[in-house]
Amino acid sequence: AQSVTQLDSQVPVFEEAPVELRCNYSSSVSVYLFWYVQYPNQGLQLLLKYLSGSTLVESINGFEAEFNKSQTSFHLRKPSVHISDTAEYFCAVSPNSGYSTLTFGKGTMLLVSP
Amino acid sequence: DTEVTQTPKHLVMGMTNKKSLKCEQHMGHRAMYWYKQKAKKPPELMFVYSYEKLSINESVPSRFSPECPNSSLLNLHLHALQPEDSALYLCATRPGGVNTEAFFGQGTRLTVV
Repeated sequence: AQSVTQLDSQVPVFEEAPVELRCNYSSSVSVYLFWYVQYPNQGLQLLLKYLSGSTLVESINGFEAEFNKSQTSFHLRKPSVHISDTAEYFCAVSPNSGYSTLTFGKGTMLLVSP
Repeated sequence: DTEVTQTPKHLVMGMTNKKSLKCEQHMGHRAMYWYKQKAKKPPELMFVYSYEKLSINESVPSRFSPECPNSSLLNLHLHALQPEDSALYLCATRPGGVNTEAFFGQGTRLTVV
């Protein structure tokens, strides 16, 4: 079985400041990792994913995450946030073989203020 | 087409009503999911259909009844719901047999009065 821990339920930052949202996972098998973003009253949108290859993955809107196998982490970072980045961010994990459902963390609310 | 379309977007129903939620996709994905999401919580898995067959039921009360009429459609039939069933109901799809990302619909905001 897998589990995901998002240590921060809420992260307040000022606009143009850097941010890091933390995600740690536990699994007895190799995994795929995902970050999803959810704006109010909307569904989840995939922000970025790690399936294989380079451990640093980037999204088109400036977010990046690094898969660290030894620390079982997949932290999300952005060097300069915008007001429009205010949203709930969910980290998720899935085994990379066999077939299984996604396991989500509890989410981190990113609050960007002027 | 990379969209998962859910209808209706909003639904208010009484505790004696019968209603249905609909989910449609044209990506050829063979795994389809229903999730329930309460405010400030992660999505909670309800049902999984794999190749149009129910493969996972997470001990969901029988007042929720899923149906997969074909590979593009997923329904959730609702009957005799309780106010605590009010939530955002999300549909998601994945390619069958691989654990890559799930694609989510925009959800149906359900209010039970």
